[in-house]
Amino acid sequence: AAGVIQSPRHLIKEKRETATLKCYPISRHDTVYWYQQGPGQDPQFLISFYEKMQSDKGSIPDRFSAQQFSDYHSELNMSSLELGDSALYFCASTPQGGIYGYTGELFFGEGSRLTVL
Amino acid sequence: QQPVQSPQAVILREGEDAVINCSSSKALYSVHWYRQKHGEAPVFLMILLKGGEQKGHDKISASFNEKKQQSSLYLTASQLSYSGTYFCGTESADAGGTSYGKLTFGQGTILTVHP
Repeated sequence: AAGVIQSPRHLIKEKRETATLKCYPISRHDTVYWYQQGPGQDPQFLISFYEKMQSDKGSIPDRFSAQQFSDYHSELNMSSLELGDSALYFCASTPQGGIYGYTGELFFGEGSRLTVL
Repeated sequence: QQPVQSPQAVILREGEDAVINCSSSKALYSVHWYRQKHGEAPVFLMILLKGGEQKGHDKISASFNEKKQQSSLYLTASQLSYSGTYFCGTESADAGGTSYGKLTFGQGTILTVHP
């Protein structure tokens, strides 16, 4: 079965530019999470969506926004990029947000590496 | 608040055992363990829920002491494939167990297994 698909895998942007990352969850997974991982750092939770509604918010800058669409894919939009935004951005998905079907396992995509110059 | 992992790094020979600890100052609902190889996605190992439990599969097991808000990951008879960075991720109890997947990760423990 196909896993979580993220695109693009690599992205290079200049400061103050914008970037959009896409995430396609595993089929029948209706909950999507975004994590940011800086070099040598642990993953930091940004935001999550369940059934197209924002379910939780973490340390996501105001310059970033995200949404989940009717087909459950999600996009993370980043504007006014800063050097510190350079990181690996992971999307993860789980089936059926809530206790029904949630086993605790986050299925991570391979990540999108953003480099801001 | 970020859980604290110890040790920060471990170097083993194949076949040796290791213990990685994860400690939180907050009451926890669950503890998750992940392994990440360089440049790759984190891979789920197991989840332990409050109530204090122990879990395991193959040669990797873990325990969760709810009273101490501590979890330990046990790796026995290590293999080369065990090398990577191990993260514990926690869900706080004050979320009532509803913050599914909103994890606060520890800083990671780098495990290196040599032949």
